[in-house]
Amino acid sequence: KAGVTQTPRYLIKTRGQQVTLSCSPISGHRSVSWYQQTPGQGLQFLFEYFSETQRNKGNFPGRFSGRQFSNSRSEMNVSTLELGDSALYLCASRDSTGELFFGEGSRLTVL
Amino acid sequence: GQQLNQSPQSMFIQEGEDVSMNCTSSSIFNTWLWYKQEPGEGPVLLIALYKAGELTSNGRLTAQFGITRKDSFLNISASIPSDVGIYFCAGRLESTGTASKLTFGTGTRLQVTL
Repeated sequence: KAGVTQTPRYLIKTRGQQVTLSCSPISGHRSVSWYQQTPGQGLQFLFEYFSETQRNKGNFPGRFSGRQFSNSRSEMNVSTLELGDSALYLCASRDSTGELFFGEGSRLTVL
Repeated sequence: GQQLNQSPQSMFIQEGEDVSMNCTSSSIFNTWLWYKQEPGEGPVLLIALYKAGELTSNGRLTAQFGITRKDSFLNISASIPSDVGIYFCAGRLESTGTASKLTFGTGTRLQVTL
């Protein structure tokens, strides 16, 4: 069974730009969550989507948004990028009873 | 954002030694999880604990859910080079729709020398 797939793996943007990251969950998993990992703040919960609806949200500004499609694939978007948005963005999926399985992440560098 | 207190921050040990690390929180959780992250990878689940006082093993790894529900411990016996990585604890206080919201610890970086 294929794992959680995230694209792109690496990307570089400049301040003020926007970025879209993509996540394909494990087949059969309907819940997709996003986490931000930085050296200073560690792993922080961004949001969770289930059946195309945002079910839970962390303490991030409105510049961070996401969506989920009918095939459970998810995207997250960050608008008006700031230097502090440089991070590893991790996607995780789970089924109704299991724990989170994480992808390898998308490493975003903002210059 | 909130992070759980994990100690030690880093460990340098010799192959064959046992390792202990712990995680504490100011608030209670009803699930404790332990993950390992290697460079360039996402966290991988090692052990899940669902009941206060529970002791669970996974090979050379043993973890315990503290009876106060505010702490958890991970032990690795007879360490080997492939144990190198960063170990994270994570806590969850479940209610409707929050099963994926984990609060992570600050991490313990483990280095193993031959």
